[in-house]
Amino acid sequence: RKEVEQDPGPFNVPEGATVAFNCTYSNSASQSFFWYRQDCRKEPKLLMSVYSSGNEDGRFTAQLNRASQYISLLIRDSKLSDSATYLCVVNSGGSNYKLTFGKGTLLTVNP
Amino acid sequence: DAGITQSPRHKVTETGTPVTLRCHQTENHRYMYWYRQDPGHGLRLIHYSYGVKDTDKGEVSDGYSVSRSKTEDFLLTLESATSSQTSVYFCAIMTGTGWNEAFFGQGTRLTVV
Repeated sequence: RKEVEQDPGPFNVPEGATVAFNCTYSNSASQSFFWYRQDCRKEPKLLMSVYSSGNEDGRFTAQLNRASQYISLLIRDSKLSDSATYLCVVNSGGSNYKLTFGKGTLLTVNP
Repeated sequence: DAGITQSPRHKVTETGTPVTLRCHQTENHRYMYWYRQDPGHGLRLIHYSYGVKDTDKGEVSDGYSVSRSKTEDFLLTLESATSSQTSVYFCAIMTGTGWNEAFFGQGTRLTVV
């Protein structure tokens, strides 16, 4: 099983749609979790940290299920500007803080 | 802005030549990382550093070496560049506090011909 696995996508949705991304991780000792977005030919940028109780930031909601080792990202009311690749990222913890990235899911929001 | 600068931003080099990429940070973070990103593979860790002169290998370290003689600079060297090392290289820092978020430099696009 890969360390971090995401929906392969791509996702094509109309403006205003709700879209959900899913991610699973294999290391049960993982300590912190994130969603990043990456625009074409740009660096990844932090979108949200994922808290154990779940968290929301405007149209974005992130959830963590430690028992199932599962992370999700929900985007409501999609905008054209949400078009990007979304990366699930897991911090394995320990003393050296290694991040492991999923391969990403490409989202295209169409007018 | 996490104060991370990568140089050069673009480079074309010939097979067999050594190449050094530089990552510079202005905020004194302890943890620094080098990743490469290739289609179909996502971001893969090459080497990382957890302090001055403290470095360790990532999952794709063969053919690469690193050095960190100062907190602010983390150098990645391709000892003898090969075409398989054509990639986009990203440097990252980790805050080491709170949720330990990582922030990335703008990337270096390296082509080995």
